[in-house]
Amino acid sequence: KAGVTQTPRYLIKTRGQQVTLSCSPISGHRSVSWYQQTPGQGLQFLFEYFSETQRNKGNFPGRFSGRQFSNSRSEMNVSTLELGDSALYLCASSLDIGQEEAFFGQGTRLTVV
Amino acid sequence: AQSVSQHNHHVILSEAASLELGCNYSYGGTVNLFWYVQYPGQHLQLLLKYFSGDPLVKGIKGFEAEFIKSKFSFNLRKPSVQWSDTAEYFCAVIFLNQAGTALIFGKGTTLSVSS
Repeated sequence: KAGVTQTPRYLIKTRGQQVTLSCSPISGHRSVSWYQQTPGQGLQFLFEYFSETQRNKGNFPGRFSGRQFSNSRSEMNVSTLELGDSALYLCASSLDIGQEEAFFGQGTRLTVV
Repeated sequence: AQSVSQHNHHVILSEAASLELGCNYSYGGTVNLFWYVQYPGQHLQLLLKYFSGDPLVKGIKGFEAEFIKSKFSFNLRKPSVQWSDTAEYFCAVIFLNQAGTALIFGKGTTLSVSS
């Protein structure tokens, strides 16, 4: 079956702009989580959604937001982009909320100039 | 704050050498433990996981890990590495006292295997 799909794969944005990233989970998976990966900080948890509800949020400013749709697809939005937001943004899906294995997408590489 | 530490930032080995990557976490309660691998240009893949039971777990590609509760550790091992094991390895923990099931990752260890 198809894996986790993230679009777009690459993005270049200017400081101050906003960006929306999309994630389609594996069919049947209802939980979606987002992570930011940078060389200095590694993988940092952004937020987690289950059944269209945010269940957990990491330590990121309010410029980072997300949502989940009824078909479990998820989007994350970053407003007022800063240079430091340049990173690989990873989406992971799992069957259910709980102690499940998470399957990761290839990520969206965001570069802010 | 709950955290995960990986002791080695970069490990360089020759083929056939043995591997052990350290991972410690900060919390004394119930946890679920994972090792993920990221090969160059590829997405994160699960190597192995521990939820309960036998503390020695076996994963794919000959990897294994041992959960030592008293040491809050979950070290990854492989008796004989191959060139194809060159990758970045991440230890991750779900701390079961928290709402939600966020994976908390260590900073990763880059493994370089020379042939």
